Amino acid sequence: AQSVTQPDIHITVSEGASLELRCNYSYGATPYLFWYVQSPGQGLQLLLKYFSGDTLVQGIKGFEAEFKRSQSSFNLRKPSVHWSDAAEYFCAVVSGGSYIPTFGRGTSLIVHP
Amino acid sequence: DTGVSQDPRHKITKRGQNVTFRCDPISEHNRLYWYRQTLGQGPEFLTYFQNEAQLEKSRLLSDRFSAERPKGSFSTLEIQRTEQGDSAMYLCASSLGGDTTEAFFGQGTRLTVV
Repeated sequence: AQSVTQPDIHITVSEGASLELRCNYSYGATPYLFWYVQSPGQGLQLLLKYFSGDTLVQGIKGFEAEFKRSQSSFNLRKPSVHWSDAAEYFCAVVSGGSYIPTFGRGTSLIVHP
Repeated sequence: DTGVSQDPRHKITKRGQNVTFRCDPISEHNRLYWYRQTLGQGPEFLTYFQNEAQLEKSRLLSDRFSAERPKGSFSTLEIQRTEQGDSAMYLCASSLGGDTTEAFFGQGTRLTVV
């Protein structure tokens, strides 16, 4: 069964600093990978996705993520964080043929001024 | 607005009552998902539909939970005899279908059982 691990429950960064949120997945073949962001009391918004091809994918709001097959990872990065990036971030995986996104428990991003 | 719509946004109910939530997916999307999210956790998959067919329902939390999508458009999620442990955010998502399409989420229904 597919699973997703987000090892960091909370991450605190200063505004303007760089950010990396970790995501590891468990699945035999190449999965389809996603990052979503959720503001308090809201639904989830897609930041970016990886299906195949270039392992570095660009998303909205200046985010990018890199798929590393050897490490089973899909870490999210941003070079300079803004206060408005404070939110909950979820990594998700879909294994080919299952069509069911499985989510990690999320990482809460706190941005200090 | 052509996004996923959920109604109501908030629901407070007494323990033992039945509740029903509605989800209207993006119009051309044929796949529809229901998730539950509790505080500090990621969305937990409950069930999904391909058009009107419910293809996976074994992850519904108990037989008090049921979902329908009678005409392959909107869907409803019903919880019978609610318990305090049912308090959560219930999220609906839809996608075009196929392997390489992402799910778009509604804003959720926040259920509080008192």
